[in-house]
Amino acid sequence: EEELLESGGDLVQPGGSLRLSCAASGVTFNKYAMSWVRQAPGKGLEWVSRISGSGGSTYYADSVKGRFTISRDNSKDMLYLQMNSLRAEDTAVYHCAKDRLDHFDPWGRGTLVTVSS
Amino acid sequence: QSALTQPASVSGSPGQSITIPCTGTSSDVGTYSLVSWYQQHPGKAPKLMIYEVSKRPSGVSNRFSGSKSGNTASLTISGLQAEDEADYYCCSYAGSGTSVYVFGTGTKVTVL
Repeated sequence: EEELLESGGDLVQPGGSLRLSCAASGVTFNKYAMSWVRQAPGKGLEWVSRISGSGGSTYYADSVKGRFTISRDNSKDMLYLQMNSLRAEDTAVYHCAKDRLDHFDPWGRGTLVTVSS
Repeated sequence: QSALTQPASVSGSPGQSITIPCTGTSSDVGTYSLVSWYQQHPGKAPKLMIYEVSKRPSGVSNRFSGSKSGNTASLTISGLQAEDEADYYCCSYAGSGTSVYVFGTGTKVTVL
């Protein structure tokens, strides 16, 4: 069974940095693109970033461009999101998901990032 | 890229059918048949219900169906059941420009 498990969420001050991880199991990891999708408390889903299967192509939402960096280590079946210059509006549960272009499936349960002083 | 527009809430009685519209633009829903729908229960991860406008993944009830006309996609739930009460989000591919994907604003489905 395919499974994704995020980690790394924490309370961080505005302007700070955090690195999220997503461990994949039961997935032929390097064949598929992966995305991060976030959900602010009580709000809807927002796509954040996408990385191709090889890691050679990356894409970002305008809201995080220049501050967040997506990467992957196919030898370890791991996906990452380096988040710098964090703002209060980045507070959200961050989900990783297998990205098939026409849909996201499966999703991880998410990890909570809180940006507050 | 603005979020796709969905009604904040839709309700129906058990056994009834409801339809959730998802309105985008010619840059997303209107151009690409890459619309998907997700169900999310409180505190849970989103679950794929429909992809490529109208395809149903294995294991998803055939009470769920999708369609598209112009810039608007729709999710229909027939034979509404208590377990269908959840939040529903549409999502469209939007090209490799400023935002690869755009999600809908979300709809709370209430079973009366």
